[in-house]
Amino acid sequence: KAGVTQTPRYLIKTRGQQVTLSCSPISGHRSVSWYQQTPGQGLQFLFEYFSETQRNKGNFPGRFSGRQFSNSRSEMNVSTLELGDSALYLCASSQSAGGLDTGELFFGEGSRLTVL
Amino acid sequence: GESVGLHLPTLSVQEGDNSIINCAYSNSASDYFIWYKQESGKGPQFIIDIRSNMDKRQGQRVTVLLNKTVKHLSLQIAATQPGDSAVYFCAAVNTGTASKLTFGTGTRLQVTL
Repeated sequence: KAGVTQTPRYLIKTRGQQVTLSCSPISGHRSVSWYQQTPGQGLQFLFEYFSETQRNKGNFPGRFSGRQFSNSRSEMNVSTLELGDSALYLCASSQSAGGLDTGELFFGEGSRLTVL
Repeated sequence: GESVGLHLPTLSVQEGDNSIINCAYSNSASDYFIWYKQESGKGPQFIIDIRSNMDKRQGQRVTVLLNKTVKHLSLQIAATQPGDSAVYFCAAVNTGTASKLTFGTGTRLQVTL
C-alpha cells in the first residue's frame, strides 16, 4: 500500500511569488491535514480537509489556503511568499477525521520550501 | 487553547540504556495523546498512543505514562538502540471538541555508542 506522497520534495521560490504543494493520501483515507514545520516552532497545524470540506484551520494568515479534491488528493497554496514561510510542509492522512479514531496520522516526507 | 511542550530539546543516552522523554500539556480537557518519531529527512511516524482513561500503555520497547493530575506524559524507550536516534514529538487533543492535534516542539534523542 503506497504511503502519503508529497510533491515537490524541494523547491526554491523568491519573495512575492506563490507556491502550490500537492499531497496524495493513502488509498482509502479521506482526511488530509497540513502542517508547517520549522526548527523554532515545531509542527504547526495549518488545516485539515475531510471529504472535500475544510474541517479545521490553524492560526495562519489568509495567504495560506488549501483544498481537497473528490479523490481525496489535496493541495495547499501560499501566496505572496515571505522569507518566514521557508519551512518543511508536511501532509498527513487518516481514515477518520483528524485521525482520532485509529490514532494514526500517516505523514508524508514533506515538501521543503526555501524562500529567497 | 492547547499548548504542548517538551522538557528538554536534546537528550543523549548510551546504547543499551533506557531513555525517558517528557512532555507537558496545558489543556486539562485533552483526552488523547500520541507520540511520534521523526528521523532525519522523513515525516513523523506514529509510535504509541494513550487515552485519558489509562495511565500506562506498553508497546514494543516503548511505554507511555500519563499523569493527568500534573498534565504530564512521558515516553520510555527500553534498551535504546542507534536506530532510535530521532526527534520525538508528543501531541495532545481534546477529541470531544473535534479539535486538531497540538504538537510539542520535539526532543532530539542522540544515542551514543
